Amino acid sequence: EAQVTQNPRYLITVTGKKLTVTCSQNMNHEYMSWYRQDPGLGLRQIYYSMNVEVTDKGDVPEGYKVSRKEKRNFPLILESPSPNQTSLYFCASRAGGHNEQFFGPGTRLTVL
Amino acid sequence: QKEVEQDPGPLSVPEGAIVSLNCTYSNSAFQYFMWYRQYSRKGPELLMYTYSSGNKEDGRFTAQVDKSSKYISLFIRDSQPSDSATYLCAMRGGNTGKLIFGQGTTLQVKP
Repeated sequence: EAQVTQNPRYLITVTGKKLTVTCSQNMNHEYMSWYRQDPGLGLRQIYYSMNVEVTDKGDVPEGYKVSRKEKRNFPLILESPSPNQTSLYFCASRAGGHNEQFFGPGTRLTVL
Repeated sequence: QKEVEQDPGPLSVPEGAIVSLNCTYSNSAFQYFMWYRQYSRKGPELLMYTYSSGNKEDGRFTAQVDKSSKYISLFIRDSQPSDSATYLCAMRGGNTGKLIFGQGTTLQVKP
C-alpha cells in the first residue's frame, strides 16, 4: 500500500530534550515536506526537500532541522524543543511534476 | 499581510445547498492552485488542482482561478453531510517544493 508513515503519532516531552520525528514514504517520491498545523493558522511549511541531499526552508524553519540522506526518509529534528513548538505535525511527499501531495497521519507533539 | 488569505468560517449549510469557498493571494508568481479536504483527525487529501487561470469541474466540485484578481474559489453543488470537513486552499510557483496554504475553512453540512 502506497503511504507516508510518521512516528511517533503522539509525543509529550519537556523543554530542551532533543527529539526526532521520523517520516518515510514508499512511493519513490522526489519531494518531501514537513508542516505544522495550529488552530487559526492552517498548515505552515517548515522545511522541504526536492531530492536526496537537497533541502530548503519553508515559512517557519526556526527551531527545526531536517536531513535527506535517503529518498524514502525525511526526519524532523527538534534540537531543543520549546512550548511554542507544541503542534500537530504532518509529513508529506509528492512526485516531481505532480501536484498531489500525500500526507502522513500526523504527529501530535506537546512540549511542557 | 499573509500571502494567502482564507476565511476560517465556520460555515454551516443545509444539505443540498451550494457552497462557495474562497481564497485570495498576493504573490503573482503562483501558478498551481489546489484545494485539499481534511477530515477531523486525518491528514489533508487533494481534492482538485488547477494550473493558471480557468475552471475545472469534477463531479459536484468546481474550482475557479482568476489570476487577474488573485482570487480562487471552490464550489460544491448539492452538498452532503459527508462533505463536512475543513477545506484548505494551497498554491505554489513553478519548479519549487514551497507550498503555501490558507488557514482553512471549516464546513458543516446539516442533514
